[in-house]
Order: sequence, then C-alpha cells, then structure tokens
Amino acid sequence: DQQVKQNSPSLSVQEGRISILNCDYTNSMFDYFLWYKKYPAEGPTFLISISSIKDKNEDGRFTVFLNKSAKHLSLHIVPSQPGDSAVYFCAASLSLTGANSKLTFGKGITLSVRP
Amino acid sequence: EAGVAQSPRYKIIEKRQSVAFWCNPISGHATLYWYQQILGQGPKLLIQFQNNGVVDDSQLPKDRFSAERLKGVDSTLKIQPAKLEDSAVYLCASSARGNEQFFGPGTRLTVL
Repeated sequence: DQQVKQNSPSLSVQEGRISILNCDYTNSMFDYFLWYKKYPAEGPTFLISISSIKDKNEDGRFTVFLNKSAKHLSLHIVPSQPGDSAVYFCAASLSLTGANSKLTFGKGITLSVRP
Repeated sequence: EAGVAQSPRYKIIEKRQSVAFWCNPISGHATLYWYQQILGQGPKLLIQFQNNGVVDDSQLPKDRFSAERLKGVDSTLKIQPAKLEDSAVYLCASSARGNEQFFGPGTRLTVL
C-alpha cells in the first residue's frame, strides 16, 4: 500500500509560468512533509519542507501548501526556469527524530520547463 | 561542508555474487540511512542507524542484506547473494538531529 502518492508522472510548463506539483498521502499520522529534487545520476536534494501544524511555507520561488483535511500537498514554483527541470519527490515522515524519522517517498514527477 | 560520499558509483555483477557499498556521511551527522530506489519508484528505507546502533531495519531482507556502521561514522551495505531484483540505486543519507536528510549520489547496481 503506497502511503505517499504522486499520481501524475510528468508535467511540462513554459518558462516563466507557474509549475504546480501535487502529492497525496493516506497516513494521517505523518507530521512532516518534504520535497526533494533529483537530477540524473545525482542523489535527491532537499528543496523545501512543511510541518503538519502549518498550511504554507515559502522559500524564494518555491511554496508548499498543505491541506490536512484532504491529505494533500502541492509544490508551487513561480516563475519556472529551465534549470528546474528534474524529478521531484514528495516525502513524508512521522517525526524529524528517532525511529520515526524515516522518509516515505512518492514515485516522483518529472518536470520539464520549456524555454 | 563536504556532502555524503558513496562508492562505488556503479557496479555490475552476476546473480548469486556478493557486493558491498560504502558510505561516508556528513561530519557530525549521527543518523545514517540506506535507501533502495528501484527504477520508476521512490526511494525505500532499508536500514537506519543512530550513531552505531540500528534504529530500524524492518524492511531489510536480512537473509541476503547486511549493514554495519563502524564507530558511528562510515557504513557499509552488503548483499550476499545478489538476485536480479536487487538491481537498483542504493542511496545513503545522513542527518543531524531534527533536520532534513542529505543524500549521497548513490550506487547504481546492475545484477545480470
């Protein structure tokens, strides 16, 4: 049973426009949500996170929104740039520390930003 | 600050052979994780260490996989014997207490 779901395998957007990447989860005990970005032949790189007690977190061009009642989060990238083209993973954990800090990942979504 | 180091980057072996992967976490990071990422999937945790003790190895196939973390720093992950379905990227990550995980570049294993 997949607890973190990224149902769209790919997304293509025009440079300068907004990219919206969606993620759904089933485990209501998840307390912390993260987005990682991955380029080919590299490991995932941390992008942005949000605690379950918040509904929005912003860092520059990246904003993550959390809707706990819908068990849904989304990553907004504004404006999108060609360098943003990568695979984006949504991940969740029960805690930031201890045995519950392991990350449960979605399958990832491939973002392509067209010049 | 140096990142998480892993070696080798690529490994090709025949099924039933043995293989070992090495990870050097970021200095000072007490928690170390090994994830397995099969093509088209997200990473899946295999084992988590806190210093040199195992915190979670519930998803480690213990009949063939083993891991250790020497002196709470470097770690090795071993597969013996390998199966075709072990073909994947093996990612090592480390974290300081209460912070996000930092990943290494991974080792791509192909089992023929």
